[in-house]
Amino acid sequence: DTAVSQTPKYLVTQMGNDKSIKCEQNLGHDTMYWYKQDSKKFLKIMFSYNNKELIINETVPNRFSPKSPDKAHLNLHINSLELGDSAVYFCASSQQTVNTEAFFGQGTRLTVV
Amino acid sequence: AQSVTQLDSQVPVFEEAPVELRCNYSSSVSVYLFWYVQYPNQGLQLLLKYLSGSTLVESINGFEAEFNKSQTSFHLRKPSVHISDTAEYFCAVSGHTGGFKTIFGAGTRLFVKA
Repeated sequence: DTAVSQTPKYLVTQMGNDKSIKCEQNLGHDTMYWYKQDSKKFLKIMFSYNNKELIINETVPNRFSPKSPDKAHLNLHINSLELGDSAVYFCASSQQTVNTEAFFGQGTRLTVV
Repeated sequence: AQSVTQLDSQVPVFEEAPVELRCNYSSSVSVYLFWYVQYPNQGLQLLLKYLSGSTLVESINGFEAEFNKSQTSFHLRKPSVHISDTAEYFCAVSGHTGGFKTIFGAGTRLFVKA
């Protein structure tokens, strides 16, 4: 019974394409996140939503657009993909915004060729 | 602003030896501290956390970490490691400064050798 699930697990696409990654959590959490992990394993937050409202929007190109249709879902759409977008993208959720742990999905490995 | 420094990018160790993974943080207010583990091709999983109370916290698989406010550290230790402990370990800090963000360290790769 997966707590945070994201699809697809692997995504290979050409430069210039538009792609989406979907995320769903069944934990009843209020807060969801998107993180980007680069090839050196460095983890950087991109976006955070609390009850469908955007609360964190880091310095991310506006080609990246998150959408939260409801509390349990947070999708990530990427326009005009570039080689530098290749990374593993993790969705996560937590009960609150600060002092609780995050539960992570399995990751989506995006490769732009 | 908050920050997290993991002092070692890689720690090779022999099976059954003790290990310490170091983590230092900077923050001007009270913080909450976490250690996460990432096995190959998987997402991060919580290993242990310090929110308040006892400064020594333990995980179910033998890891422990001690919150040291004076040294602003939260080092992770295990007295005897197993091959299966080979993974990437991330220290993280969360607090009310920095806009409710959890900041992750750069990670430490623990490699346990037979």
